[in-house]
Amino acid sequence: RKEVEQDPGPFNVPEGATVAFNCTYSNSASQSFFWYRQDCRKEPKLLMSVYSSGNEDGRFTAQLNRASQYISLLIRDSKLSDSATYLCVVSERGGRRALTFGSGTRLQVQP
Amino acid sequence: ETGVTQTPRHLVMGMTNKKSLKCEQHLGHNAMYWYKQSAKKPLELMFVYSLEERVENNSVPSRFSPECPNSSHLFLHLHTLQPEDSALYLCASSQDSSGRYEQYFGPGTRLTVT
Repeated sequence: RKEVEQDPGPFNVPEGATVAFNCTYSNSASQSFFWYRQDCRKEPKLLMSVYSSGNEDGRFTAQLNRASQYISLLIRDSKLSDSATYLCVVSERGGRRALTFGSGTRLQVQP
Repeated sequence: ETGVTQTPRHLVMGMTNKKSLKCEQHLGHNAMYWYKQSAKKPLELMFVYSLEERVENNSVPSRFSPECPNSSHLFLHLHTLQPEDSALYLCASSQDSSGRYEQYFGPGTRLTVT
């Protein structure tokens, strides 16, 4: 089983749609969680951290379910500029190990 | 100067060449990383440095040799590479190597081995 699993997509949605991505992780000791965004042939960029209580940043909402070991990202009112690959990232705090990245979910927002 | 810079941005090298990739971070971070990203694969961690000390070497072949002279600079020395080593090599930095903090990436070096 992969450490971090994501549906690769692609998710093709119209502008203005709401889209949700899920991610599961295998290490129950994972302590920190992030969503990154990666545009084609560019470096990953931090989108948002994921907190236990859930958190929101504008049109983006992240949720964490520790019992089921999954993380979600909800994007409301999709824009063309949201088209990218979204990477789910987890780490084991104190393990002196860098972040573990999922393979990413590709989103294509269409006009 | 932006957060994390990498040079060169593109590199084509033969299997017998020796080259080096350079990374510099201007964020005051104490940890730096090398990742490899091949097509249709997730990022693969290669090396982790914390305060210039290598704290992780993720079973990387010896033809890749990292160097961290100080907390702001990181190099990846390449020699006798194979075509399957062609990939995007990304450098990142974070506040420390605990995994608690987010990482910031450089733009990467796209390497082609011929």
